[in-house]
Amino acid sequence: QVQLVQSGAEVKKPGSSVKVSCKASGDTFRNNAISWVRQVPGQGLEWMGKIIPHIQVANYAQKFQGRVTITADKSTLTAYMELSSLTSEDTAVYYCARERDYFDYWGQGTLVTVSS
Amino acid sequence: DIQMTQSPSTLSVSVGDRVTISCRASENIISWLAWYQQTPGKAPQALIYKTSNLQSGVPSRFSGSGSGTEFTLTISSVQPEDFATYYCQQYSLTPWTFGQGTKVEIK
Repeated sequence: QVQLVQSGAEVKKPGSSVKVSCKASGDTFRNNAISWVRQVPGQGLEWMGKIIPHIQVANYAQKFQGRVTITADKSTLTAYMELSSLTSEDTAVYYCARERDYFDYWGQGTLVTVSS
Repeated sequence: DIQMTQSPSTLSVSVGDRVTISCRASENIISWLAWYQQTPGKAPQALIYKTSNLQSGVPSRFSGSGSGTEFTLTISSVQPEDFATYYCQQYSLTPWTFGQGTKVEIK
């Protein structure tokens, strides 16, 4: 059974960074990518980037290039998304999802609130 | 980036109604389209992939069709648990992009 369990909610100051984790079960890391998708409250879904853990290759959306870093630790089956230079516009729920072309399994989401 | 446009933004329907949601891509995505359902406070769940393939465990009242730039999600007879927001997503070319969502609400 595939499960993606994310870390808990965060409150951050503007200008700081946040790192969200996503622990996978089973063979999720094998031959799959892990993507990160965010959702600003009351709005739609936005893909940020992904990593292919078994070859350690990451790919980012242009919008977040330079500000987001996605990594994966194969030994603990955990993926990470770090977003820097936070502003209030980064207040959102951040989801990890297994990518098999489309997103077939999702984590429960992590609310990141950016506030002074 | 490929733009995905859904219509309508909101649908007010009754239990048992047939529902059709449209999704248009700004360029040809062949059949690389998925649909997701999201209820408030929950993560999206995959319904359909590659335009018309039902995700495991999804009821057969859901179906998808289309190709190229025009796609449709149909719910043959809406049930109470189907009141939610639906998103289309293209996975033809990165960055993967989503439609803005269609909220199906109770009339």
